[in-house]
Amino acid sequence: LAKTTQPISMDSYEGQEVNITCSHNNIATNDYITWYQQFPSQGPRFIIQGYKTKVTNEVASLFIPADRKSSTLSLPRVSLSDTAVYYCLVGDPRGTHGSGNTGKLIFGQGTTLQVKP
Amino acid sequence: DVKVTQSSRYLVKRTGEKVFLECVQDMDHENMFWYRQDPGLGLRLIYFSYDVKMKEKGDIPEGYSVSREKKERFSLILESASTNQTSMYLCASSDFQGARGNTIYFGEGSWLTVV
Repeated sequence: LAKTTQPISMDSYEGQEVNITCSHNNIATNDYITWYQQFPSQGPRFIIQGYKTKVTNEVASLFIPADRKSSTLSLPRVSLSDTAVYYCLVGDPRGTHGSGNTGKLIFGQGTTLQVKP
Repeated sequence: DVKVTQSSRYLVKRTGEKVFLECVQDMDHENMFWYRQDPGLGLRLIYFSYDVKMKEKGDIPEGYSVSREKKERFSLILESASTNQTSMYLCASSDFQGARGNTIYFGEGSWLTVV
């Protein structure tokens, strides 16, 4: 499973755009890139998932360059409530159905985003 | 919305006790997971299950066992609790969606303190 590297922490101010970059140099052909958000005392929550180029939803955008060795989560106009830990995961969420290798995704240490007023 | 429910939010157990952490999901997902989360160590996978009665070890299975008798329920068992198992435990589920990939849905977490 591809290992990921992301900054331990980031600070931002309300209303700013925040970009968190994740490196995954040994990403495999079948691997997807998935980002999760975790608030204190809660389980992680899915934000966005992509395979290549750009993916956008109501919460964030995910930019993936052609070589797929990195990805950037972009949060537009953050607010105080976006203060959380953000995890980048790389893996084949499909696995091989029924093989025991289904959706085994490994979490790294994440990036703690602190949004200030 | 997918709901993953962990039976206990906070537990305090004594060293040597047998501890059961229960998890139920309501979306007929095939895959279920148990993670533990500790400060500075992130989330670590203990066990996962891809079908009823099927289980696979994660990265830190020692001291734990699991049971999946029904598709919706995945139990984590600490046969003899120790203080180093004090942690937050997270249950999760996901479904196989073929080429679309899948996402993991987490419960709220169970805070276990072993004294």
